Amino acid sequence: AQKVTQAQTEISVVEKEDVTLDCVYETRDTTYYLFWYKQPPSGELVFLIRRNSFDEQNEISGRYSWNFQKSTSSFNFTITASQVVDSAVYFCALNTGTASKLTFGTGTRLQVTL
Amino acid sequence: DVKVTQSSRYLVKRTGEKVFLECVQDMDHENMFWYRQDPGLGLRLIYFSYDVKMKEKGDIPEGYSVSREKKERFSLILESASTNQTSMYLCASSLMLGANVLTFGAGSRLTVL
Repeated sequence: AQKVTQAQTEISVVEKEDVTLDCVYETRDTTYYLFWYKQPPSGELVFLIRRNSFDEQNEISGRYSWNFQKSTSSFNFTITASQVVDSAVYFCALNTGTASKLTFGTGTRLQVTL
Repeated sequence: DVKVTQSSRYLVKRTGEKVFLECVQDMDHENMFWYRQDPGLGLRLIYFSYDVKMKEKGDIPEGYSVSREKKERFSLILESASTNQTSMYLCASSLMLGANVLTFGAGSRLTVL
């Protein structure tokens, strides 16, 4: 069975702070994909990144970066110099390639204040 | 811009009513999904469809059915709504199954009284 754990239910930071959202996953498959989605107050989940299990290279996209570590089964997401517009619920998700569905974590609500 | 459109953002229904939630995508995607989102539980898959008239159960199909008569439209049906079906319902679509990226609609918040 596959499982995604986002232990942080809610995080509050002040604008310009860096913040890391944790994601720990469980799967017995050797081939799998990890995702992050953002759900702003409007409600529509927006895709941020997909990573496959054979690519442990960290990724940076602007203020966003992702740290994938197979040794600890983690795929953490860092926002540098957070902004109010980053306030949202962030979901980590796992797919084992041949499976037809994503397994989502319970989400982390990020509140960025001035 | 590609879109998944859910017809109703907010609905209020009474226990025992039949409820239809409609979802339309304009991306010619093969696959469509219905998720339910509840606080502390994340997103849970109710049903998905990989082709017209084809469907498969997800993790929590009890109390729900679906219909896909046309490629672009996927309907979620609550035959007899109950209060424990009060939730946010999210529709999504993808070009292929497996590790494909999902495109989501804005959600339909259903309250059953």
